[in-house]
Amino acid sequence: KQEVTQIPAALSVPEGENLVLNCSFTDSAIYNLQWFRQDPGKGLTSLLLIQSSQREQTSGRLNASLDKSSGRSTLYIAASQPGDSATYLCAVRRGGSQGNLIFGKGTKLSVKP
Amino acid sequence: EPEVTQTPSHQVTQMGQEVILRCVPISNHLYFYWYRQILGQKVEFLVSFYNNEISEKSEIFDDQFSVERPDGSNFTLKIRSTKLEDSAMYFCASSGDTNEKLFFGSGTQLSVL
Repeated sequence: KQEVTQIPAALSVPEGENLVLNCSFTDSAIYNLQWFRQDPGKGLTSLLLIQSSQREQTSGRLNASLDKSSGRSTLYIAASQPGDSATYLCAVRRGGSQGNLIFGKGTKLSVKP
Repeated sequence: EPEVTQTPSHQVTQMGQEVILRCVPISNHLYFYWYRQILGQKVEFLVSFYNNEISEKSEIFDDQFSVERPDGSNFTLKIRSTKLEDSAMYFCASSGDTNEKLFFGSGTQLSVL
């Protein structure tokens, strides 16, 4: 059974710092991996999608990498800002599934001004 | 940017009552999903829907749950006889294809008393 784990559960950094959020999954037979942002009481905002054949994706100050064989993904945030404060969720889609995403519990990020 | 809209944002109901949660997916998307998040827990997959039928469902999605696309724009989740443990944030999502990003709505907070 696929399990997704995110470490750390919470992270507090000063503004301007570069940071890395980690995601690991137990079954490497994934179709793709998606990183989301969740603000308190709000929905999920898709940040980056990495297909299983890709190694990384970039969008602005965000870079996500995927090492399928080791069951790991990282989300790199450059030059963090207070507006980046949110919970970041990692989710994997099983091969052969129709959009059944398995989510991690998230990393709660706080960026202090 | 197109978005998934959900109504209502909050729903309070008595145990045993029926509720219908409504969603308007992004207009050119073909795949539709329902997820839920119990407070403090992971986001969980409920069901995926394509071509007017359920394509995949989780163990959570038992006979008390049903989904429908009553017209060309709406996608609904019905819970026939709500239980206390159904209290959660329910998210609707849509995608253009199974290998594309899922776009989530802001959710409906369901409270069963």
